[in-house]
Amino acid sequence: DAKTTQPNSMESNEEEPVHLPCNHSTISGTDYIHWYRQLPSQGPEYVIHGLTSNVNNRMASLAIAEDRKSSTLILHRATLRDAAVYYCILRDVENAGGTSYGKLTFGQGTILTVHP
Amino acid sequence: DTGVSQDPRHKITKRGQNVTFRCDPISEHNRLYWYRQTLGQGPEFLTYFQNEAQLEKSRLLSDRFSAERPKGSFSTLEIQRTEQGDSAMYLCASSLARVSGYTFGSGTRLTVV
Repeated sequence: DAKTTQPNSMESNEEEPVHLPCNHSTISGTDYIHWYRQLPSQGPEYVIHGLTSNVNNRMASLAIAEDRKSSTLILHRATLRDAAVYYCILRDVENAGGTSYGKLTFGQGTILTVHP
Repeated sequence: DTGVSQDPRHKITKRGQNVTFRCDPISEHNRLYWYRQTLGQGPEFLTYFQNEAQLEKSRLLSDRFSAERPKGSFSTLEIQRTEQGDSAMYLCASSLARVSGYTFGSGTRLTVV
């Protein structure tokens, strides 16, 4: 599985934007970029995913570099409830031979601390 | 849609005992995944079901572990002869399409004493 590199931790102030970076220099053409976050004592929560174009949803925006070797998750106005571990993951599209089923391979993630 | 449900939330067992966890995925999701997470680490993939077929198993899934998904609905994960190293959070997730996001349950925290 292609690997991602994220900072171990980041800090932000409440109501300010947060840009969480992710490097994935070995990404393949069929890898989707997924972001999940995990609050304490909960399962991971899907945030957003994309392939080539920037994506927006109600939770966040995903900016993908033109060469797809890096991406940035953008939280437009951080709240205390956004404090979590954020995971950037490359997900294989299943291939015709059926040897890859699109499982997610989690790394260590980025611990985001939000200050009031 | 009540999300992915896992039962129990917590389980404490003595070493050598067998334990079974249950996962109820979102009803229309045909894909179901089990993950294990230890403290300070990201979740690790264990196994994947598409409907009732178990299509992929991690090398982490030793012979003491078995998972089923009868009739393609709920799933169970059984650990036989538990060891202290099995202590972890066991997470279940389901999804609908090839590239859509997963929905995770809140997990079952297993403590082996």
